[in-house]
Amino acid sequence: TQLLEQSPQFLSIQEGENLTVYCNSSSVFSSLQWYRQEPGEGPVLLVTVVTGGEVKKLKRLTFQFGDARKDSSLHITAAQPGDTGLYLCAPTSGTYKYIFGTGTRLKVLA
Amino acid sequence: GAGVSQSPRYKVAKRGQDVALRCDPISGHVSLFWYQQALGQGPEFLTYFQNEAQLDKSGLPSDRFFAERPEGSVSTLKIQRTQQEDSAVYLCASSLGSGRGYNEQFFGPGTRLTVL
Repeated sequence: TQLLEQSPQFLSIQEGENLTVYCNSSSVFSSLQWYRQEPGEGPVLLVTVVTGGEVKKLKRLTFQFGDARKDSSLHITAAQPGDTGLYLCAPTSGTYKYIFGTGTRLKVLA
Repeated sequence: GAGVSQSPRYKVAKRGQDVALRCDPISGHVSLFWYQQALGQGPEFLTYFQNEAQLDKSGLPSDRFFAERPEGSVSTLKIQRTQQEDSAVYLCASSLGSGRGYNEQFFGPGTRLTVL
């Protein structure tokens, strides 16, 4: 069974601060997706990274896939209350099956 | 509708009761997934359909869990003789492609099941 860890588990920050959350695994993946889930809703896809070393930017969010394709990070610049939610990474080995991490629960205080 | 819908949104069952959870995927989506999300955890894979074929049911916790998608669109997850440990949010997701590679999964809002 592959080990998938997300850190930190919880993060509470003030509006305007920067933060980074991590997704680490013992396995190599062909691609990895990041989702955000708000209370009472299903996860919503933010980005898919495919190539080792790849960096993708989505407004204030920067996603990086590790060179070895075993880890990924999500950096948020100038966090806003609307960024509050559960951030989930979901790597895949090229099939239909996604394994979700336990998530990082982010709270941004106004 | 425009997105994935699930019903009911909330279900309270007495231990031992049977429940049926419904998922209406996005029209035309080939792949359909069911996940179980315990409190404070990420979604855990239960089962996968490609059209009407259930290709993977390896995540179903026990033989009390049964899923079907008879016409390749609407899916039902049935749990027989519910137990307290079945309490969780059950998420349904659909994707346009056959599921290989990195298709985007569109999730429904989930059904929160509470077993008393």
